Amino acid sequence: AQKITQTQPGMFVQEKEAVTLDCTYDTSDPSYGLFWYKQPSSGEMIFLIYQGSYDQQNATEGRYSLNFQKARKSANLVISASQLGDSAMYFCAMREGPRSNYKLTFGKGTLLTVNP
Amino acid sequence: DADVTQTPRNRITKTGKRIMLECSQTKGHDRMYWYRQDPGLGLQLIYYSFDVKDINKGEISDGYSVSRQAQAKFSLSLESAIPNQTALYFCATSDQGRPYNEQFFGPGTRLTVL
Repeated sequence: AQKITQTQPGMFVQEKEAVTLDCTYDTSDPSYGLFWYKQPSSGEMIFLIYQGSYDQQNATEGRYSLNFQKARKSANLVISASQLGDSAMYFCAMREGPRSNYKLTFGKGTLLTVNP
Repeated sequence: DADVTQTPRNRITKTGKRIMLECSQTKGHDRMYWYRQDPGLGLQLIYYSFDVKDINKGEISDGYSVSRQAQAKFSLSLESAIPNQTALYFCATSDQGRPYNEQFFGPGTRLTVL
């Protein structure tokens, strides 16, 4: 079974609107962390936001927020007030605990296109 | 200056050639990683190293080898390149002392094997 599932290969949003990128995960480890990375067309990977499994509140970083629903094993990224520069690939990733040697596992990504 | 650098940035080589991709970091991080990215597959872990004497295989290590020459340098080698190793290769670093232990990525090396 895939550990990280991103079901939306592509998403479109109008500039200035909000968009939600879906991510579900699968782990039996009680201690884990969830990450979102952005990859613009230039290719670099940019860290956006982190959510720990024991965090009580949803993470926020500027226009990015993470809708963490632990019971449903989902960690959706919400981008508010979309900008043209938000057009990129977005990857969800999970880091599990000691048994997995803290390795990072990535989903296949969602390509977001922001329309003017 | 970039904190994580990769050389070369682009490389075209032929089947059977030996090739080395190099990664250097000035972040002072103890952990380093090599990933490959294929279209539609996300990033897959090739090798990772938690310090100079600790090297571990990732999901797809076959056909690759690594060397951690120093804390700041981590090299990936393809002993005999084959066309299906054509991909975008990323080096990354992390520091277990950081609150999130997030990984910082280099700019990537685009490798084409003909």
